[in-house]
Amino acid sequence: NAGVTQTPKFQVLKTGQSMTLQCAQDMNHEYMSWYRQDPGMGLRLIHYSVGAGITDQGEVPNGYNVSRSTTEDFPLRLLSAAPSQTSVYFCASSLTGWGTGELFFGEGSRLTVL
Amino acid sequence: AQRVTQPEKLLSVFKGAPVELKCNYSYSGSPELFWYVQYSRQRLQLLLRHISRESIKGFTADLNKGETSFHLKKPFAQEEDSAMYYCALSGGTGFQKLVFGTGTRLLVSP
Repeated sequence: NAGVTQTPKFQVLKTGQSMTLQCAQDMNHEYMSWYRQDPGMGLRLIHYSVGAGITDQGEVPNGYNVSRSTTEDFPLRLLSAAPSQTSVYFCASSLTGWGTGELFFGEGSRLTVL
Repeated sequence: AQRVTQPEKLLSVFKGAPVELKCNYSYSGSPELFWYVQYSRQRLQLLLRHISRESIKGFTADLNKGETSFHLKKPFAQEEDSAMYYCALSGGTGFQKLVFGTGTRLLVSP
């Protein structure tokens, strides 16, 4: 049981490049989400999904796209990377989105945009 | 609006000393409160939640609605408690409304 798997763990991009951060979970969780973690800012929600085919914006969605074609996968796309998107990204999942259970996190992906 | 404040960026104590990591929140309804922990080179993981009234690894946290606080306490700190601790609040409407504090790094020295 791998839990929540994120790839890649590290990535360096140039301004304007695009890339996709992958997230997969094998727990049959309905709820999946992406956070970014910046120094002094805590974790901020980027996008989330309450099930396959359903996504919505979180607190800081600009510059990011998501899709949820399967229950297992929730990729995060950076369309045109900017230095302000340098951050550590975490994917998380939960059995339901009701907020009373436990969020399971991936190991994180450290992205640097030059 | 929901807000979580962790006033201390770093808390440094000696092994065996009591620990209290502060968390204050702002929310007009009935909050769901959590503590998450991130040990070095490990994933962020749930430590405890107020609704369960659990004691995990010797840590406890009591919700004080009058003071709008959810401080994390442990009577005798251990070196393995060194980690980053995040307080989080959910407005009860789902994880999409989960708000994290900025975190407190706890350093327990021998």
